[in-house]
Amino acid sequence: EAGVAQSPRYKIIEKRQSVAFWCNPISGHATLYWYQQILGQGPKLLIQFQNNGVVDDSQLPKDRFSAERLKGVDSTLKIQPAKLEDSAVYLCASSFSIRDQPQHFGDGTRLSIL
Amino acid sequence: SQQGEEDPQALSIQEGENATMNCSYKTSINNLQWYRQNSGRGLVHLILIRSNEREKHSGRLRVTLDTSKKSSSLLITASRAADTASYFCATDQTGANNLFFGTGTRLTVIP
Repeated sequence: EAGVAQSPRYKIIEKRQSVAFWCNPISGHATLYWYQQILGQGPKLLIQFQNNGVVDDSQLPKDRFSAERLKGVDSTLKIQPAKLEDSAVYLCASSFSIRDQPQHFGDGTRLSIL
Repeated sequence: SQQGEEDPQALSIQEGENATMNCSYKTSINNLQWYRQNSGRGLVHLILIRSNEREKHSGRLRVTLDTSKKSSSLLITASRAADTASYFCATDQTGANNLFFGTGTRLTVIP
């Protein structure tokens, strides 16, 4: 079974620039998650999709972050404009369903803001 | 905070010793999960324990759950250098649709 694929692995941009991350979940997984993990902390949920609908985006800074999951498979997360505090690893995860299921994580995109 | 809290924050042991990590949380849960994260990689699911379960085993892993004390522990027996990683507990809280991760325990196993 192929795992969760994310790209790019690393990204360096200057503040106020924009950046986009891509995620391809495990085939058949209806639920997709984007997390932000700041160095030394646990992952914090940004947004959760069930198929192509948003289940929870309460922690997403909507003035600068956006995400979509067209056709209920791949997903992109965008930051525009980036701030210094956005420096973090952005992890994508997927699970078969919402309840009682383990989440499978990609290796993340490490974002550095200069 | 809705997050769990792991204790200790860091743990260093010799290969072959046992490692115990603890997790405390604040709200009622449906289940609690433990994940491992190697440096520069994503999280890997280790074990899920439901709120009506008290103990669960998987290979060298043993997880306990005490819902009255809102706490869980992860025991890794006969540790190996390859067990060096950060370990996170995550709670599936009643009424929520997602997991809340703790701050993690950094485990170092010295060969």
